[in-house]
Amino acid sequence: EAGVAQSPRYKIIEKRQSVAFWCNPISGHATLYWYQQILGQGPKLLIQFQNNGVVDDSQLPKDRFSAERLKGVDSTLKIQPAKLEDSAVYLCASSSNTFPPLGGYEQYFGPGTRLTVT
Amino acid sequence: DQQVKQNSPSLSVQEGRISILNCDYTNSMFDYFLWYKKYPAEGPTFLISISSIKDKNEDGRFTVFLNKSAKHLSLHIVPSQPGDSAVYFCAVTPGLGGGTSYGKLTFGQGTILTVHP
Repeated sequence: EAGVAQSPRYKIIEKRQSVAFWCNPISGHATLYWYQQILGQGPKLLIQFQNNGVVDDSQLPKDRFSAERLKGVDSTLKIQPAKLEDSAVYLCASSSNTFPPLGGYEQYFGPGTRLTVT
Repeated sequence: DQQVKQNSPSLSVQEGRISILNCDYTNSMFDYFLWYKKYPAEGPTFLISISSIKDKNEDGRFTVFLNKSAKHLSLHIVPSQPGDSAVYFCAVTPGLGGGTSYGKLTFGQGTILTVHP
């Protein structure tokens, strides 16, 4: 089974520029998540999709961040304009809709995109 | 307001000995608890989990213990191996009783484990 795919793996941009990240979840996983992980911290949820609808975007800085999941499969996360404090690893994760007792709450992560804003 | 805390930034252990990683949470609504392992330049990998109806779950060398009254969980690795060297994150979720927050994971800040040969 193929895992979560993300691209690019690394990106360096100047502040005020824009950037976009792409994610393809595990086949059949209805729920997709975008996380931001700043160095020395745990991943922080930015947005959660169920199919192509947004479930939770309460932590997404909507003045500069946007995300979409057209057709309920792959997703893009965009930052425009970028700030220095956006330097982080952006992780995409997906999960099935099988919850206890049939399953758990495990999310499966991609390798992440390391963004450096200079 | 940190709902999940891993108070030890790092832990160093000799190969073959036990590694114990700790995690504290503040909200009793959390119903399901997970541990993830992360190697450099990779995404976190799911390791083991436990439901609030249990106090122990074991999978090979890995055992997770949950103390609900103390709002504390721990991960034991026995015996520790050099390949276990990684960052370990605990994560919590309210489960299905959390309304629209079901499935949402809140992570601790991680503990760097180093296992010396």
